[in-house]
Amino acid sequence: AQSVAQPEDQVNVAEGNPLTVKCTYSVSGNPYLFWYVQYPNRGLQFLLKYITGDNLVKGSYGFEAEFNKSQTSFHLKKPSALVSDSALYFCAVRVQLAGFQKLVFGTGTRLLVSP
Amino acid sequence: EAGVTQFPSHSVIEKGQTVTLRCDPISGHDNLYWYRRVMGKEIKFLLHFVKESKQDESGMPNNRFLAERTGGTYSTLKVQPAELEDSGVYFCASSLDGLPVLAAYSYEQYFGPGTRLTVT
Repeated sequence: AQSVAQPEDQVNVAEGNPLTVKCTYSVSGNPYLFWYVQYPNRGLQFLLKYITGDNLVKGSYGFEAEFNKSQTSFHLKKPSALVSDSALYFCAVRVQLAGFQKLVFGTGTRLLVSP
Repeated sequence: EAGVTQFPSHSVIEKGQTVTLRCDPISGHDNLYWYRRVMGKEIKFLLHFVKESKQDESGMPNNRFLAERTGGTYSTLKVQPAELEDSGVYFCASSLDGLPVLAAYSYEQYFGPGTRLTVT
């Protein structure tokens, strides 16, 4: 079965420090991977995606993610965290069947950035 | 450009009652998806429309859930009768192109703010 795992329920980091939110996946074939963020009382916002090409993908708000095929990981990173980055982060993989697609999500990781 | 909108933002109903959630996708988006997040768990796929046709409803939990998309525009998701385990946040998403997606391309799905359903 195709799945995504986010092993950390919560990540705490001090403002200005680098942050990493972990994601591993299990899919057949080439993975198409996504990160979404949910701010309080808001919908899911697209951050970035990996389809093919460079393993380091840059996205919105200064976030980036590194695709590692050997470790089946797609960790989200940011060099310097902001308090405003505090939110719920979801990793997802695209599953395609009969030409149509859907997203399979992880359980989400709450990021808390302290001043 | 207006984003995906959902109504209501929050609904509290009693077990056994009926609730209808509405989603208005981004104009021109043929693909419409419903997802659900039960407290603390992953966001799970429910179903996928292309225009007015249901392409994949493999994630629908049971026959108490009925989704429609008449005219290929907005969609409704009705839960009748609601049970306690139906509580959660229901997200709608839309994306471009009603045709089968080429393997090498992936249209981004744009999500609405969600409807928080509480069944008491």
